[in-house]
Amino acid sequence: DQQVKQNSPSLSVQEGRISILNCDYTNSMFDYFLWYKKYPAEGPTFLISISSIKDKNEDGRFTVFLNKSAKHLSLHIVPSQPGDSAVYFCAAPSGTYKYIFGTGTRLKVLA
Amino acid sequence: DTGVSQDPRHKITKRGQNVTFRCDPISEHNRLYWYRQTLGQGPEFLTYFQNEAQLEKSRLLSDRFSAERPKGSFSTLEIQRTEQGDSAMYLCASSRGGGDEKLFFGSGTQLSVL
Repeated sequence: DQQVKQNSPSLSVQEGRISILNCDYTNSMFDYFLWYKKYPAEGPTFLISISSIKDKNEDGRFTVFLNKSAKHLSLHIVPSQPGDSAVYFCAAPSGTYKYIFGTGTRLKVLA
Repeated sequence: DTGVSQDPRHKITKRGQNVTFRCDPISEHNRLYWYRQTLGQGPEFLTYFQNEAQLEKSRLLSDRFSAERPKGSFSTLEIQRTEQGDSAMYLCASSRGGGDEKLFFGSGTQLSVL
C-alpha cells in the first residue's frame, strides 16, 4: 500500500522568495505524481504533475522535482506571490488509477 | 469543459437520517472518484468507477455507504443512518483515463451531522 507524507504542516515565505514544499512516498511501483492546491471551502485544483521518466517538470513559476531513489518529491514556487497562499497536497498512485494524498502543507506568502 | 459539479454544496442533517449527494463529472471523463476530507487531513479515497463499473472501494468504507454511477454518467453517494463521525467534505473527481490520469475535483459537499 502507498503512504504519502508531507512532514511540514505549514510554511511561511516572504513575497518574491522561493517556496519549497516536500513530499515523501513509500511505494515506487507506480510512476505518476500529482500536486494540488486548495483554498478553503473549495475542491483541490490540479497544479502540476510529474512522470517517473523525468526528474523535473516545470510550468511557469512552479517546478516539481522527483528523486526516485529517495522516494521524494518537492514543489518549488518562485517567485512566491500572496495569491499562492493555500494548502498544497501531493498525491501518489496506489494500485490502478487510485491516488493517495498527503496531509498537506499550508503555505502563507507574506506581502 | 464545464468542470465537475457537485450538489448540494452544504448538507446539515440529524444523526440517523439518510443523505444522498450527486456528482456530474466532466463529460468526456470515464473515471469518477469519491474522496472524503476532514479538517487537517488530505483527501481520503472512498471509491472509484470506470464508466458504470465500481472497480474499488476503500476498506474504510462501511456498509452504510453506497455509490452508483448508472449509465456511466453522473454518480450518487448515499450514506444511510448518518453518524456524527460522517461529518466531512465529500469530494468527487473525474479523469479522462487513457494515460491522462490527472484528477479534476468538484467543489465538494460539506456534510454536518448533528
